[in-house]
Amino acid sequence: RKEVEQDPGPFNVPEGATVAFNCTYSNSASQSFFWYRQDCRKEPKLLMSVYSSGNEDGRFTAQLNRASQYISLLIRDSKLSDSATYLCVVGMDSSYKLIFGSGTRLLVRP
Amino acid sequence: DAMVIQNPRYQVTQFGKPVTLSCSQTLNHNVMYWYQQKSSQAPKLLFHYYDKDFNNEADTPDNFQSRRPNTSFCFLDIRSPGLGDAAMYLCATSSSPGRPRSYEQFFGPGTRLTVL
Repeated sequence: RKEVEQDPGPFNVPEGATVAFNCTYSNSASQSFFWYRQDCRKEPKLLMSVYSSGNEDGRFTAQLNRASQYISLLIRDSKLSDSATYLCVVGMDSSYKLIFGSGTRLLVRP
Repeated sequence: DAMVIQNPRYQVTQFGKPVTLSCSQTLNHNVMYWYQQKSSQAPKLLFHYYDKDFNNEADTPDNFQSRRPNTSFCFLDIRSPGLGDAAMYLCATSSSPGRPRSYEQFFGPGTRLTVL
C-alpha cells in the first residue's frame, strides 16, 4: 500500500465548477499535511498547508480528518489557470522528509 | 530574489556515462533534498542533507551519489546511468525546524535527464 494515495484523475470540469479531491495516508503518526501544485513539466509549489481545524485561502479550502486519515482539497469557481496536478503531501515532525502522493490531475475547460 | 537554481535544465547522456547535476540556493537553508520524478509519478526522495549530515534513503541505488561542499551547493552524481534513470531530478531546500515555515520545501525548476 502506498503511503499517500490519490485518485490520478483527470478531473475534467468547466470553468466556474466546484471540484474536490481526496487523499488518504497510511501512517497515523503523520503530523503535517499539505497540498502542492505542479504544472506540466514544472516543479511542485506549495499551495496550502492543511490544519486540523480546516483552512481556507480564497477559492481553496483544505480539510483534514485524522480519524479516517484523509485530506481533502476543495476548489470553488474553477479557473482555466487552475489546470495542474495537485499533490497531496504528508510529513512527520520527527524528520525533514515529506511523502508525496502521485497527484490528481485537474483540467478546467472553457 | 532568493531561489533554488538547477543546472543544466536538460541533460542528455549516454548509457553508462557518468553525469553530474548541480543545485544552488540563495535561501541559506540548512536542508537540501534530491528527488527523482518520473512521468505521472510522485517525486521520490533519493537523499537529503541537514547541513553536512548526509541521509540516504534505504532504496536509493548505489549508482546515485551526492556531494554538498557548502551550504549553497549540492550535486547529484549518477555514476553509470541506465535507461531507467531517465527522469526529472528535482532539488529542494527547507529551513531548520523551529524556524518559520520550516516545513515548506522550495523546489528548483528541475533537470530533465535523457539517457540514450
